[in-house]
Amino acid sequence: AQKITQTQPGMFVQEKEAVTLDCTYDTSDPSYGLFWYKQPSSGEMIFLIYQGSYDQQNATEGRYSLNFQKARKSANLVISASQLGDSAMYFCAMRGSNDYKLSFGAGTTVTVRA
Amino acid sequence: NAGVMQNPRHLVRRRGQEARLRCSPMKGHSHVYWYRQLPEEGLKFMVYLQKENIIDESGMPKERFSAEFPKEGPSILRIQQVVRGDSAAYFCASSQFRDFNYEQYFGPGTRLTVT
Repeated sequence: AQKITQTQPGMFVQEKEAVTLDCTYDTSDPSYGLFWYKQPSSGEMIFLIYQGSYDQQNATEGRYSLNFQKARKSANLVISASQLGDSAMYFCAMRGSNDYKLSFGAGTTVTVRA
Repeated sequence: NAGVMQNPRHLVRRRGQEARLRCSPMKGHSHVYWYRQLPEEGLKFMVYLQKENIIDESGMPKERFSAEFPKEGPSILRIQQVVRGDSAAYFCASSQFRDFNYEQYFGPGTRLTVT
């Protein structure tokens, strides 16, 4: 079974600054994938970034980067140069190699201030 | 637009009625997953289906809930005799392959309100 923990229920960030969203996980699967999704107030789930457990380098997608520390079982999302449109709920999720489903954390609400 | 489609987007049902939620996966995707999101919570897995087969329904409540993915047509999540606790957002996702490193693409969700 997989377990995802997001300990920050809500965060405020100033426009143009960077923000780091914490995510720790627990799994017994030897291989797994880690995902981050954004859920704006409109409700849809938007895929942001993926990190494989055996990837040597941290994943990056535009302003999103994933700080993957395998030994610590953490997969923090970094959003650089925050924009007002980044205000949303962010979910960390994982999927083990022996699993079909995504397991989600409780989410972190990010509010970007002008 | 070849994204995952769900309908209806909003559904209101009275207690005891039936709710039918539909999901059309992305073109070329044969793997469908249903998740439920209760207010202020993350998504919880319900069921994983391939065409005409339920592969994993470990997250489905034992009673009143059923799902299907027929050979032709959309996947259906059916909730019989709805109760207020069924009020939630129901998301469908699809993937081209079932391997763990393939992204699941989500639909816009169906918001079910039970009155």
